[in-house]
Amino acid sequence: TQLLEQSPQFLSIQEGENLTVYCNSSSVFSSLQWYRQEPGEGPVLLVTVVTGGEVKKLKRLTFQFGDARKDSSLHITAAQPGDTGLYLCAGGDSWGKLQFGAGTQVVVTP
Amino acid sequence: KAGVTQTPRYLIKTRGQQVTLSCSPISGHRSVSWYQQTPGQGLQFLFEYFSETQRNKGNFPGRFSGRQFSNSRSEMNVSTLELGDSALYLCASSFYGPRGNEQFFGPGTRLTVL
Repeated sequence: TQLLEQSPQFLSIQEGENLTVYCNSSSVFSSLQWYRQEPGEGPVLLVTVVTGGEVKKLKRLTFQFGDARKDSSLHITAAQPGDTGLYLCAGGDSWGKLQFGAGTQVVVTP
Repeated sequence: KAGVTQTPRYLIKTRGQQVTLSCSPISGHRSVSWYQQTPGQGLQFLFEYFSETQRNKGNFPGRFSGRQFSNSRSEMNVSTLELGDSALYLCASSFYGPRGNEQFFGPGTRLTVL
């Protein structure tokens, strides 16, 4: 069973600060996805990375897939209150089955 | 395109009862997956249906079952409810593309078992 570990579990920062969330596994994934979930809603897909070493930027969010495709990170620059939410990473195998991490709860206060 | 819809949004049942949840995927998506989300266990995969066939299955007891219809709509059934089945049940549809199995989630059904 592929196990995805996310760290930290909880992060509380002030508006304008930077933050990084990590997603690690001992297994290789075909793809790695990041989602954000807000209270009372389902997770929303932010990005998918498939190539080792791939870096994708989405406005103030930067996603990186490790060279060995076992780990990923999400970096948010100048966080805003709207970035508050539960960030989930999910690793996909070659059959399309996804394994989700436990999530990182991010709180950005004004 | 309309998003994934789930009904009902909230449900209260008692132990021993059964429940059926419904999910309508995004038009054109043939894959529907179901997940259980709880504070303690996080997001746990239940099963995936593709073109009316179960393609993947998680580690849940047989009390949890599902099906998919020819229009890709899916239902999930839980029989003999237990207190521990209280959770947010999420449905996700996907279109297998070059970047793999990207999930589009519905808002979920909040099930409370008393």
